[in-house]
Amino acid sequence: DAGVTQSPTHLIKTRGQHVTLRCSPISGHKSVSWYQQVLGQGPQFIFQYYEKEERGRGNFPDRFSARQFPNYSSELNVNALLLGDSALYLCASSFTGTGVFYEQYFGPGTRLTVT
Amino acid sequence: LAKTTQPISMDSYEGQEVNITCSHNNIATNDYITWYQQFPSQGPRFIIQGYKTKVTNEVASLFIPADRKSSTLSLPRVSLSDTAVYYCLVGGDFGNEKLTFGTGTRLTIIP
Repeated sequence: DAGVTQSPTHLIKTRGQHVTLRCSPISGHKSVSWYQQVLGQGPQFIFQYYEKEERGRGNFPDRFSARQFPNYSSELNVNALLLGDSALYLCASSFTGTGVFYEQYFGPGTRLTVT
Repeated sequence: LAKTTQPISMDSYEGQEVNITCSHNNIATNDYITWYQQFPSQGPRFIIQGYKTKVTNEVASLFIPADRKSSTLSLPRVSLSDTAVYYCLVGGDFGNEKLTFGTGTRLTIIP
């Protein structure tokens, strides 16, 4: 069975640009969460979507937005990129939307570098 | 949000049992305790989750005292492949709080 997939693997953008990251959850999983992991730190929660609705939002500016599609895949959008947005962006999926700490399966991440 | 505190790093020899303790003094009644393992350039991988007392699976054990203000992840007979960062995560139902991983413990296994 395929795990969580993310695209692209790596991305280099310039300050002020916009970026879209994509995630496909494990088949049958309806919940997708996004995390940002800055080098040397633990992942920080950005969003959770369940059944195409936002169910949780972390402490990130409005430049960050996301959505979930009918097939449960998800996109994370970041506008007006800053140097500080350089990080590994992780997507995680789970079967149920109840209790985020129910076992989540993480993808390999997208490494975003902002120059 | 229940803040967690873990040792920054630990070293252990192959074949030994490793115990990593996480402190979470402000844990709420409905919070669960979950541990994840992360290798470089990979996403975290679920290890174990518990609410109270002891939980054991094929990979690890999780010990939670009665006051639930701390928890200990126990890895039996570690090998070099257990070298990774281990995160303690505390939280409850989704959407009710901001969720974040702990500081993480960088475990290095020495041959």
